[in-house]
Amino acid sequence: SAVISQKPSRDICQRGTSLTIQCQVDSQVTMMFWYRQQPGQSLTLIATANQGSEATYESGFVIDKFPISRPNLTFSTLTVSNMSPEDSSIYLCSVDSGTGTYEQYFGPGTRLTVT
Amino acid sequence: EDQVTQSPEALRLQEGESSSLNCSYTVSGLRGLFWYRQDPGKGPEFLFTLYSAGEEKEKERLKATLTKKESFLHITAPKPEDSATYLCAPSISGAGSYQLTFGKGTKLSVIP
Repeated sequence: SAVISQKPSRDICQRGTSLTIQCQVDSQVTMMFWYRQQPGQSLTLIATANQGSEATYESGFVIDKFPISRPNLTFSTLTVSNMSPEDSSIYLCSVDSGTGTYEQYFGPGTRLTVT
Repeated sequence: EDQVTQSPEALRLQEGESSSLNCSYTVSGLRGLFWYRQDPGKGPEFLFTLYSAGEEKEKERLKATLTKKESFLHITAPKPEDSATYLCAPSISGAGSYQLTFGKGTKLSVIP
C-alpha cells in the first residue's frame, strides 16, 4: 500500500488565520481525498482531488473555505481559511488504492486547534 | 439518507475474551463495506473489504462478515495490542462516487 505523509502533524492557530496542510504520497495516485474528523465524530469527506481538474466538494464544504490544490500525482494541499474554533479537528488525506477495489489508504492526519 | 451505526460505542474485554462488533447500514447500491482500525493520534489503517452478503475475511484474530444490512467484526482471543477504535465504512455505487460513509466507530479496550 502507498505510504502517505502529512505536514504539519499538528498546529495551534489563531482565529481568522489560514493553514495549509500538505499531503505527500510515495507513488503516483489518481484520486486523493480530504477528510475531517471532529472530536468524538466520524470521518467526513470534504472533497475529492484529481490531478488536472478542480476538486469536487461534498455538501456543506465550499472552495472558499477549503481550497485544494493537486499539482501532480503525488501531492495535494488543503487550506483551511479564515479559521474559527469550530474548525478544530483532525484533517486526513487518503488515496485510492488504484486496484479497482475502492480501498483507500490514509495519512497520519493533521491535528488542528484554533484558539 | 445513507446511515451507518456502529455498536457498541465502547467495549472492554479481558485478554482472551472473544466478542463481536456490529456495523448496521442503510445505503442503496452498496459497492463494498470497509473496515479500518484507528489508533490514537493516527490515521485509519485498512483491514478488510467485503463486497457481497455471505462473504467473510480473516486476518489474525479478526474475522469480518457481511449480510445485506450489517457487518460484524469478530475478534477471537483478543490481546492488549488489539485495543483501538474500529471503523466501518460502506461505499455506495454511483458515477464517479468514491465516498466512504464512516460510522463513529467502536472503541475497543483489551485488558491484560
